[in-house]
Amino acid sequence: GQQVMQIPQYQHVQEGEDFTTYCNSSTTLSNIQWYKQRPGGHPVFLIQLVKSGEVKKQKRLTFQFGEAKKNSSLHITATQTTDVGTYFCAGRGSGGSYIPTFGRGTSLIVHP
Amino acid sequence: DAMVIQNPRYQVTQFGKPVTLSCSQTLNHNVMYWYQQKSSQAPKLLFHYYDKDFNNEADTPDNFQSRRPNTSFCFLDIRSPGLGDAAMYLCATSRDRAEPQYFGPGTRLLVL
Repeated sequence: GQQVMQIPQYQHVQEGEDFTTYCNSSTTLSNIQWYKQRPGGHPVFLIQLVKSGEVKKQKRLTFQFGEAKKNSSLHITATQTTDVGTYFCAGRGSGGSYIPTFGRGTSLIVHP
Repeated sequence: DAMVIQNPRYQVTQFGKPVTLSCSQTLNHNVMYWYQQKSSQAPKLLFHYYDKDFNNEADTPDNFQSRRPNTSFCFLDIRSPGLGDAAMYLCATSRDRAEPQYFGPGTRLLVL
């Protein structure tokens, strides 16, 4: 079935440093979604990317979808303690399965 | 206003004693999902309903069943909980299967 690899598994940063998490698929994705899960909370939808090479921004967060639609990244500029949590990508294959497959997530720890 | 509601938030059951978790939604979404999430892991899809059409994941144990009596409600039945079934159970909804998912707060299940 569809597999989505996400790295790194954990990332420690000092407050104010940047952070990036990467998502990779061996097959072409029709779209990719990003979610944030705070400690003790539930996943919350952030954004969906559909087009090849698409870039979307939400304040300090920048989301990219690769030209080949096989990879995606989430970059946070100047992290804050409120950014703490686990960031999941979820990719939907271009054929067959309708349901996005979640990556294993990247846990961001921000040190004040 | 809560859009995806899960009850109870915490459930304690005994080994082998059947338990039912419930989920309701006010979004009128077509799709409802049940995920199992264990500590520091990604949500694992158990099954989903597309309207009344039930879709089971290939590796979901027979011990897990689901019912969707109407658009708003969906239930997860665990017929004979084992110690390994202790986890957070997340319900999610989406307008269509490729669309962003909206998660409830989850039910944390403890099996004694």
